[in-house]
Amino acid sequence: ETGVTQSPTHLIKTRGQQVTLRCSSQSGHNTVSWYQQALGQGPQFIFQYYREEENGRGNFPPRFSGLQFPNYSSELNVNALELDDSALYLCASSFLGQKDYGYTFGSGTRLTVV
Amino acid sequence: SQQGEEDPQALSIQEGENATMNCSYKTSINNLQWYRQNSGRGLVHLILIRSNEREKHSGRLRVTLDTSKKSSSLLITASRAADTASYFCATVRNNAGNMLTFGGGTRLMVKP
Repeated sequence: ETGVTQSPTHLIKTRGQQVTLRCSSQSGHNTVSWYQQALGQGPQFIFQYYREEENGRGNFPPRFSGLQFPNYSSELNVNALELDDSALYLCASSFLGQKDYGYTFGSGTRLTVV
Repeated sequence: SQQGEEDPQALSIQEGENATMNCSYKTSINNLQWYRQNSGRGLVHLILIRSNEREKHSGRLRVTLDTSKKSSSLLITASRAADTASYFCATVRNNAGNMLTFGGGTRLMVKP
């Protein structure tokens, strides 16, 4: 049973629009990460936030941005949506400082860009 | 880019049989983790093996790690229909924070 919740579960947007996805981390976790998973592929790391600052970023353009709030909830913002942004977006929380610690993932937001 | 590659990409077995999935990766790691994903939903953490460990067990799961070959295997014994899912290996590299780098996954189907 996951302690990470994401909203919304599904979303349809038009190319060029902006979208905000939300995530509530598991209690006790202090980092949140976002992953993009295209159909039939493994998740790709977008970025990670710790203490409300970005502390790691994957190979994604600046139009992908995020926020982490004091209660460790998080947002992923994507500007100027492209068709290739259609994917499952996964939020994961963990406890930085314990590298031998698995992540807890949310159920994801499926974004479709038309 | 993806660190690991899973092999096979797809596996179909009968209930009760064992399922073995393999994962290869490219760089030195701190640990390797296996996750399960049902029908495009969120990932569920199964097991973590540290770089200084060679084998780990959890219930019907057995994971091995060979750092000299940069490979890992996941064995599911006495499989059940409920084990049908996609399985992903993910590595935490040294000096890369807590970032997970995933492979492409193995799609396992267990027939009743």
